Amino acid sequence: DARVTQTPRHKVTEMGQEVTMRCQPILGHNTVFWYRQTMMQGLELLAYFRNRAPLDDSGMPKDRFSAEMPDATLATLKIQPSEPRDSAVYFCASARGGVVGADTQYFGPGTRLTVL
Amino acid sequence: KNEVEQSPQNLTAQEGEFITINCSYSVGISALHWLQQHPGGGIVSLFMLSSGKKKHGRLIATINIQEKHSSLHITASHPRDSAVYICAVSGGGADGLTFGKGTHLIIQP
Repeated sequence: DARVTQTPRHKVTEMGQEVTMRCQPILGHNTVFWYRQTMMQGLELLAYFRNRAPLDDSGMPKDRFSAEMPDATLATLKIQPSEPRDSAVYFCASARGGVVGADTQYFGPGTRLTVL
Repeated sequence: KNEVEQSPQNLTAQEGEFITINCSYSVGISALHWLQQHPGGGIVSLFMLSSGKKKHGRLIATINIQEKHSSLHITASHPRDSAVYICAVSGGGADGLTFGKGTHLIIQP
């Protein structure tokens, strides 16, 4: 049963610390998305990649957030320095993508981040 | 930027009732997604559609591209259908989703 995996599942850290979240997409999926969910804003897109290249990171605060795909099996989202307003659940999703766009997105279980 | 509106925000119904959740969007799209999120957080994709109608078990999703409107129907609702249902759209050459605020559905036995 293919699934998107995310680590860690929970992270509590102090303001100013660096946070790294990892995502392993489903094997064969070439499109990876990062979303954030908060009570106030709901779900919002942070960034996404196709074939490891960033296609859209307009939803990401550029000064402190960075997203990369070191290889096809790993996507990372890094926050440095973290702030209390970054507290949220961060979801990774993966899909097959091509010329006509991406297929159904499969979501990981999320990383619940609390910044004190 | 697309604006996605869902209604109702909250819905409580009795087991067995027919449920309808509505979604409208402001700008043309390439696809509309219906997602389900249970308490505890996991998000599951129910449907992805760009025209017409799709059915999976007791769930039916329809879309009217001209009216920029979609509906999700649940027939013979059951307490296990209790969840948040989220409408999301992609388009403008981009695959990242823009989400509605969700409909919180409670089915009472």
